Amino acid sequence: GAVVSQHPSWVICKSGTSVKIECRSLDFQATTMFWYRQFPKQSLMLMATSNEGSKATYEQGVEKDKFLINHASLTLSTLTVTSAHPEDSSFYICSAQKLPASGSPLNNEQFFGPGTRLTVL
Amino acid sequence: RKEVEQDPGPFNVPEGATVAFNCTYSNSASQSFFWYRQDCRKEPKLLMSVYSSGNEDGRFTAQLNRASQYISLLIRDSKLSDSATYLCVVPYNQGGKLIFGQGTELSVKP
Repeated sequence: GAVVSQHPSWVICKSGTSVKIECRSLDFQATTMFWYRQFPKQSLMLMATSNEGSKATYEQGVEKDKFLINHASLTLSTLTVTSAHPEDSSFYICSAQKLPASGSPLNNEQFFGPGTRLTVL
Repeated sequence: RKEVEQDPGPFNVPEGATVAFNCTYSNSASQSFFWYRQDCRKEPKLLMSVYSSGNEDGRFTAQLNRASQYISLLIRDSKLSDSATYLCVVPYNQGGKLIFGQGTELSVKP
């Protein structure tokens, strides 16, 4: 299978602190990982695309200086929410793209981590 | 037109019912499509992939209509355990970026 883990699974912090979330692909290498945010009763919104060894690509409206992404290895990407505020409280989910075997049409199959629930007081 | 738009929910159905969800997409160049299932406070899990006219897996059937740019998901003989939010997902490009629909909530009652 393809397993993606996230750590921590939940975190509560004070306003103004920074929080780091880790995303790991446990049994495969992922050159590309994605970070999503999901507010209650809403769908997943892509925040950024993280490529190993290069700068992340952020979606429009996502502040790159506030959401720092590092993808230092083929199995680990981190998202740091800097100076978190209550409006940053959300469910943060990462996914890792598993490249298909030759000839497979599953070009974009992604595997999602279990998510991190962030609550900023 | 939204990039991916789904039937607004929620759908409340009795056990054993057949239920269908529709999803429209705006990018005519999209080649593959996905239905994900998301349980409350959990991550999405892939239910079905669709890259030709359709796909069937047990009680679940996905159909694709490229001319009209819509995908449907049919659930037959629904079970209590089918209660979840169903997400229609369309790749934005070959780079892996996925666009999620807003989700359709299904509640199957005894």
